[in-house]
Amino acid sequence: KAGVTQTPRYLIKTRGQQVTLSCSPISGHRSVSWYQQTPGQGLQFLFEYFSETQRNKGNFPGRFSGRQFSNSRSEMNVSTLELGDSALYLCASSFLTDPNQYFGPGTRLLVL
Amino acid sequence: GENVEQHPSTLSVQEGDSAVIKCTYSDSASNYFPWYKQELGKRPQLIIDIRSNVGEKKDQRIAVTLNKTAKHFSLHITETQPEDSAVYFCAASGGSNYKLTFGKGTLLTVNP
Repeated sequence: KAGVTQTPRYLIKTRGQQVTLSCSPISGHRSVSWYQQTPGQGLQFLFEYFSETQRNKGNFPGRFSGRQFSNSRSEMNVSTLELGDSALYLCASSFLTDPNQYFGPGTRLLVL
Repeated sequence: GENVEQHPSTLSVQEGDSAVIKCTYSDSASNYFPWYKQELGKRPQLIIDIRSNVGEKKDQRIAVTLNKTAKHFSLHITETQPEDSAVYFCAASGGSNYKLTFGKGTLLTVNP
């Protein structure tokens, strides 16, 4: 099976702009989780979607949002970008109730 | 919510030595404890996991132990090799909550 894919791989934006990141899970996986990875904070959970519904949410401001489509592909959106949003954004997918998560390569976002 | 503490943050060993990374968790309902390895510039990859009904699990040079009473779990790598150099993350999740809470990571350096 093909692994988790994320697009784009790299992004440069300026403060105040918004950005949309995309994640395609492994075929058959219906759960998609998003994480923000920064050197100082490690991997921080953003949210998780299952069957187009947000099942879990981390402690991030409302500027961070997401959605999942009927084919399990997921997008996350960050509005009004801040310098501190510069990070590697990882998505991970899992199968039904299996907690094993498989990560994508990430999208590296730089906010100038 | 769940809180996972990971120690040490950095660990340097000589090739052939053993390495031990320890994590503690706060939520007694957590029942799934994976370990991920992230090489520089790559995605985190699951290397081993343990569930709460098991006290120890081994896979070649890697082993994980779990002490539910004390709420801590550890990763043991024996006969370390330079290719073991990476950042290792522990995580915990449990109950009806599939959210993974990660530790902040341990940078393991294996010196030849």
